Parts: sequence; structure tokens; C-alpha cells
Amino acid sequence: GAVVSQHPSWVICKSGTSVKIECRSLDFQATTMFWYRQFPKQSLMLMATSNEGSKATYEQGVEKDKFLINHASLTLSTLTVTSAHPEDSSFYICSARTPWEGGQETQYFGPGTRLLVL
Amino acid sequence: GENVEQHPSTLSVQEGDSAVIKCTYSDSASNYFPWYKQELGKRPQLIIDIRSNVGEKKDQRIAVTLNKTAKHFSLHITETQPEDSAVYFCAAAPGGYQKVTFGTGTKLQVIP
Repeated sequence: GAVVSQHPSWVICKSGTSVKIECRSLDFQATTMFWYRQFPKQSLMLMATSNEGSKATYEQGVEKDKFLINHASLTLSTLTVTSAHPEDSSFYICSARTPWEGGQETQYFGPGTRLLVL
Repeated sequence: GENVEQHPSTLSVQEGDSAVIKCTYSDSASNYFPWYKQELGKRPQLIIDIRSNVGEKKDQRIAVTLNKTAKHFSLHITETQPEDSAVYFCAAAPGGYQKVTFGTGTKLQVIP
């Protein structure tokens, strides 16, 4: 399957600081990437849809000014958690959608970034 | 929006037995139904998917069935092995394959 990388895999930061997470599609171009958050023992909750060259679409209840998303190229989307607080501690996972080929698209996930805000 | 319900939340089976996980969805526009396996601390891995023009799909020990009329779909794992132990998520996506909505997950434990 297609490869999606995410960096960093782990980050610990102090409350009030900002953290940037990168999501890259390594072997395909992704016009659309998705950002999810997963709390322990819970499902993946979609935060926003990131479209290359345009503004991200945020899900209800997700603060766009707190979770800044930039999809500057067809292989890179970034999520910046601004002024992080302990309640932002979570597992952040991105996914990238493969191009429409043969009538099919598939979504592949990055390895995730575990964020701990002290 | 789409709402996906998944049952059971936990499932324990003896090695070699079958496991069945069931999901229902609400949006009749959904036509893509992937299943993901997530091991502790790792990314979800796509294990099988089905599209609405097919009622059943099988890949070795894994099969998925879809009933569009009833809006439910199921994952069947036969001859379970300890390495099948993980959390399984069903999901649904609407036409044109926009965002995917995940179910609540099923923690499967295969007892050796």
C-alpha cells in the first residue's frame, strides 16, 4: 500500500507552547489529507479535511484558530497546535487519500504523533 | 452527518473460532465501507473494504458483508489467531469518497 509518514512520532511540550506536526505522502500525491485525534481507548475523531492550495474544512467543535492546518503541497500537510494545554494531549493521526485510479480511492494513515502537554 | 455504530465493544474468542463484528450506518449516501485494524499505539491499517455495488467480499480469513437496504455491514474473521488481537474499526464514507466516519471500535482478544 501507499506510504504516509508523520513527524514527530512523540512530542512533549510545556503548556502554552505551539507544536507543529507534519504529514507526508511519500509515494503519491495527495490532494486531500485528513487530521484525526484519538484519545485513549476511543475511536478516531476527524478534526479537519486538508485540501491542497485551499483552506482546511474543520469539523464542528474544532477550533480553527487553535489547530492550524496548512496543505502547501501535494505531499505535505501540517497541523500546528497553538498554545497547547494539557487537554490537548492526545494521539494525532493524519491520513492521505490516494488519487482516483481505476474507480477507486483509498485512505492510508500515518503512524501518528503522540502529544503530551505538561 | 453520518453516524456509525459498532458492536460489540469487546469480544473474546478462543483461538480457531470465528469472530463477527457488526456495524450500522445512518447516511444512505454512504457507499464505501473500510475496516481497519489498530494495534496498541500504532496506526490503523486497512484490512479490507467493500463498496456498495458488492454484497460480499472475502480475503483469506477475512470477509465483509454489506446490506445496503438495512444499512448494516459486518466483518467476519475465521480461524482466529492470537495475532488477530487488536482493536477493529468499521467506517463509512459517502459518494465521491469524502470524509470517513469511524465506528466506536471493537477490542478483539483471541485466547490461545
